[in-house]
Amino acid sequence: AQSVTQLDSHVSVSEGTPVLLRCNYSSSYSPSLFWYVQHPNKGLQLLLKYTSAATLVKGINGFEAEFKKSETSFHLTKPSAHMSDAAEYFCVVSPMGGFKTIFGAGTRLFVKA
Amino acid sequence: EPEVTQTPSHQVTQMGQEVILRCVPISNHLYFYWYRQILGQKVEFLVSFYNNEISEKSEIFDDQFSVERPDGSNFTLKIRSTKLEDSAMYFCASKAPANTEAFFGQGTRLTVV
Repeated sequence: AQSVTQLDSHVSVSEGTPVLLRCNYSSSYSPSLFWYVQHPNKGLQLLLKYTSAATLVKGINGFEAEFKKSETSFHLTKPSAHMSDAAEYFCVVSPMGGFKTIFGAGTRLFVKA
Repeated sequence: EPEVTQTPSHQVTQMGQEVILRCVPISNHLYFYWYRQILGQKVEFLVSFYNNEISEKSEIFDDQFSVERPDGSNFTLKIRSTKLEDSAMYFCASKAPANTEAFFGQGTRLTVV
């Protein structure tokens, strides 16, 4: 069975400070892991993905995530938040060769000026 | 850049009516999906489709739902008799066989009144 847990329903940071959005997963097989972002009234945009290559993955807009198998985590980070980063972020797990892609509940990121 | 296209962007329908949500996946992709997101809630898996048949479906995907790939390019979701609780954003996604990343459309917002 596979599942994904986003540990915070919302995170608030000040502009220019670091961002940490936490995600833990459970998967019976070697999964692929993704972070998607959804801006208000918009679709889902892929930020980055892990597919069993390098454990530190760099994505768009300065985001990166580190796959830690021992901790079953895939936390999303960014050194310095920008106002335009305010959005909903989804951690997603997809088993290798499987059909279903499972979404976490989402973390809403607020960025204060 | 290739993208998944969904039409219409917004559909309003009366309770009990049938609706068809349309999606044009990326042309060389073979796996197709529908997800829904009720306002303020998480993204939920509905169904996956591969090789002209449903490969997996969730408990949400009951007899009132059906999917079809009528002409080799479109991928449709039909809701036979809509209920108020079907109001949601519906996302179509597709992925290529050698790549576990799913590409999402911009979504169709369905409002049942």
